[in-house]
Amino acid sequence: EIVLTQSPATLSLSPGERATLSCRASQSVSSYLAWYQKKPGQAPRLVIYDASNRATGIPARFSGSGSGTDFTLTISSPEPEDFAVYYCQQRSNWPLTFGGGTKVEIK
Amino acid sequence: EVQLVESGGGLVKPGGSLRLSCAASGFTFSNVWMNWVRQAPGKGLEWVGRIKTKIDGGTTDYAAPVKDRFTVSRDDSKNTFYLQMSSLKTEDTAVYYCTTDFHRGYFGSWGQGSLVTVSS
Repeated sequence: EIVLTQSPATLSLSPGERATLSCRASQSVSSYLAWYQKKPGQAPRLVIYDASNRATGIPARFSGSGSGTDFTLTISSPEPEDFAVYYCQQRSNWPLTFGGGTKVEIK
Repeated sequence: EVQLVESGGGLVKPGGSLRLSCAASGFTFSNVWMNWVRQAPGKGLEWVGRIKTKIDGGTTDYAAPVKDRFTVSRDDSKNTFYLQMSSLKTEDTAVYYCTTDFHRGYFGSWGQGSLVTVSS
């Protein structure tokens, strides 16, 4: 099973301050990595797939990069609605696995 | 617009059974692989199980913690997806989300979730 490790666990930012989230895989997942946004009481939402492709309706301030074992989700200038927990997920190997999440909170 | 509506959650005793349903609309259900993903209280997301379309064989796959206890199925005539849970354990307590497959392994659209509580 591929283990995904996300860091930091919590990221405290002021609105407009760039957010950089990391996801590291225990073995290569090529580019088969996605990011999801999860807010309390709401369903998760797909943000990025295949490491760098924005899902439908996702604003351009969200970008993803990386391949192999190291990946990054960047929010260039977070809006108030972007404060949430973000999870990475791989589809390279069975079973499908998620990282433990990074909480992006308002400082 | 894609809509996924889960139902059937509730309180069940350890060792008991429960069936969740997911009513789908807004897309051609029979053409889409479907998944269940859960989130235990205060924990992260965990994939539970998947069913492919009939044209892709209708095969099912499960995460190790639920294999042999949970069964996913679909009724394309009713646009409904199911999760039959048996031999439930306290650690199965979670919100269960129905999701569509996206690009053969991601989760595209999500329902609002159904809470399952396993407790004596």
